Amino acid sequence: AQKITQTQPGMFVQEKEAVTLDCTYDTSDQSYGLFWYKQPSSGEMIFLIYQGSYDEQNATEGRYSLNFQKARKSANLVISASQLGDSAMYFCAMREGDSNYQLIWGAGTKLIIKP
Amino acid sequence: NAGVTQTPKFRILKIGQSMTLQCTQDMNHNYMYWYRQDPGMGLKLIYYSVGAGITDKGEVPNGYNVSRSTTEDFPLRLELAAPSQTSVYFCASSYLGLVSEQYFGPGTRLTVT
Repeated sequence: AQKITQTQPGMFVQEKEAVTLDCTYDTSDQSYGLFWYKQPSSGEMIFLIYQGSYDEQNATEGRYSLNFQKARKSANLVISASQLGDSAMYFCAMREGDSNYQLIWGAGTKLIIKP
Repeated sequence: NAGVTQTPKFRILKIGQSMTLQCTQDMNHNYMYWYRQDPGMGLKLIYYSVGAGITDKGEVPNGYNVSRSTTEDFPLRLELAAPSQTSVYFCASSYLGLVSEQYFGPGTRLTVT
């Protein structure tokens, strides 16, 4: 079974609109962490935001926020007021447990912002 | 502060050749990782290291070897290259392995023909 599922292979969004990128995860660990990364066409991986399983508040970083619904095992990334520079691949990743240094990655969502 | 650097940026190998992908970080991070990213896919962990002298296998270690003699360097060795190893390879590092983000190098695009 997939541990990280990103169901939207591609999305088109109008500039200045908000966008939600979906991520669902599967783990039996109580302690885990969820990460979102951006990969522009230039290829580098850029960290965006982190949510720990015990964090009571949804994580926010500037225009990025994470809609964390623990019971549904979802960790959707919300980008407010989208910009042309937000066009990129977006990856959700999970770290399971407290003694595991590995990240499990989703297949990604390609986001294209239209002017 | 250069962050994580990788060399080379591009490489074409013939089947059966060997090569070493270099990775260096100057952030004094204990944890380092090698990933591969196949077209249209997410990243798969090849090997990781939690400190100098300590390495362990990730999800897809076959066909690769690593060493970690210093905190800064974490080279990845490909022996007997195969077309299935055509991919983009990323090196990453992190300070705290669990809650801190991983910092990535720019990647090496490898083609095996």
